[in-house]
Amino acid sequence: DGGITQSPKYLFRKEGQNVTLSCEQNLNHDAMYWYRQDPGQGLRLIYYSQIVNDFQKGDIAEGYSVSREKKESFPLTVTSAQKNPTAFYLCASSRDQGYSQPQHFGDGTRLSIL
Amino acid sequence: AQRVTQPEKLLSVFKGAPVELKCNYSYSGSPELFWYVQYSRQRLQLLLRHISRESIKGFTADLNKGETSFHLKKPFAQEEDSAMYYCALRGFNKFYFGSGTKLNVKP
Repeated sequence: DGGITQSPKYLFRKEGQNVTLSCEQNLNHDAMYWYRQDPGQGLRLIYYSQIVNDFQKGDIAEGYSVSREKKESFPLTVTSAQKNPTAFYLCASSRDQGYSQPQHFGDGTRLSIL
Repeated sequence: AQRVTQPEKLLSVFKGAPVELKCNYSYSGSPELFWYVQYSRQRLQLLLRHISRESIKGFTADLNKGETSFHLKKPFAQEEDSAMYYCALRGFNKFYFGSGTKLNVKP
């Protein structure tokens, strides 16, 4: 079954703690993305990566970090510097080349503060 | 700057009524536009792309470059169309999403 897998589905963070959200895809897509979804604000881009070992900041990268050591994997770490981490996080991937290539999304991870 | 605007947060219509979800964009190049839908308890999924020029689940969307719009239309709404709809633009290797419109189709 091809697609994007995000884990865990729910995650709780304590004060001062870093947490890592997993995103794995088996679609052989080059590009991967992390979004934050808040009520009434749509999807805001945190980080994206077009190729292994390279990634760029999105619009709201502060307090987050990523890595792209493998094509299939793009984990997101929410650091203690992110003061308002409670949100729904979505991972997506797409073919990098080709006109009008859409994104494919995972089921998301809901992060809450303890 | 690149921007996608969906002016309606919520749109309520009765079953069988026509529906139009508005989307306006701002982009300096040739736009690649998409509509995504998120049904309750399901993942965000592609509904249609402007390049396809096809009808998906009875929905169509026409790119109007003069008005910089990509409105989503369906002549007769069904209850199962109730969902969150997002308009998106792809440009400069990134996707830009609107804030979404919640469509509520009443029986």
